[in-house]
Amino acid sequence: DQQVKQNSPSLSVQEGRISILNCDYTNSMFDYFLWYKKYPAEGPTFLISISSIKDKNEDGRFTVFLNKSAKHLSLHIVPSQPGDSAVYFCAASRYSGNEKLTFGTGTRLTIIP
Amino acid sequence: GAGVSQSPRYKVAKRGQDVALRCDPISGHVSLFWYQQALGQGPEFLTYFQNEAQLDKSGLPSDRFFAERPEGSVSTLKIQRTQQEDSAVYLCASSPGPGNQPQHFGDGTRLSIL
Repeated sequence: DQQVKQNSPSLSVQEGRISILNCDYTNSMFDYFLWYKKYPAEGPTFLISISSIKDKNEDGRFTVFLNKSAKHLSLHIVPSQPGDSAVYFCAASRYSGNEKLTFGTGTRLTIIP
Repeated sequence: GAGVSQSPRYKVAKRGQDVALRCDPISGHVSLFWYQQALGQGPEFLTYFQNEAQLDKSGLPSDRFFAERPEGSVSTLKIQRTQQEDSAVYLCASSPGPGNQPQHFGDGTRLSIL
């Protein structure tokens, strides 16, 4: 039972354009969502998060949008840069107590110079 | 150190051997998590510690898997009688404490069982 889904295994975007990565979840108990970026042979690196009381959170070039009714979130990267090429994981948790993360399967983003 | 440190980075073992994987969390972090990442998949939760207490071990796939954090700092994940399906990257993460996300990950231990 995949509770967090990233339906696009890969995405290619021209440098300077917007990258949009999508994530869907099924468990309505999730109330905290995170995006991690992963380079080969390294651990996931935290990018940005959002709690369920918000519908948008912005940090520099990265913005995460949350649509609770649709159980959908997206990560926007503007403008995309070559260093953004990596695998991006969406993760979800419950905010209180044990905040174990449930991850999607990842989207490989390639930025084309 | 500045980040989460895991050792060894790579481990090759023969089927049936026991292995031990070590995690040094960020200093002062109360919460510690272990995840298993199979090829082409996202990390999957194994177990969670708050200080030295193992509060959740629901993700451990069998009783061959055992984790401990005796002094509330360094943690060890032990796998007994390894099998080929145990081959994966094992990731450790820590956070300051309950309610204090995000989790910070180490670079993992890649375990290969021959």
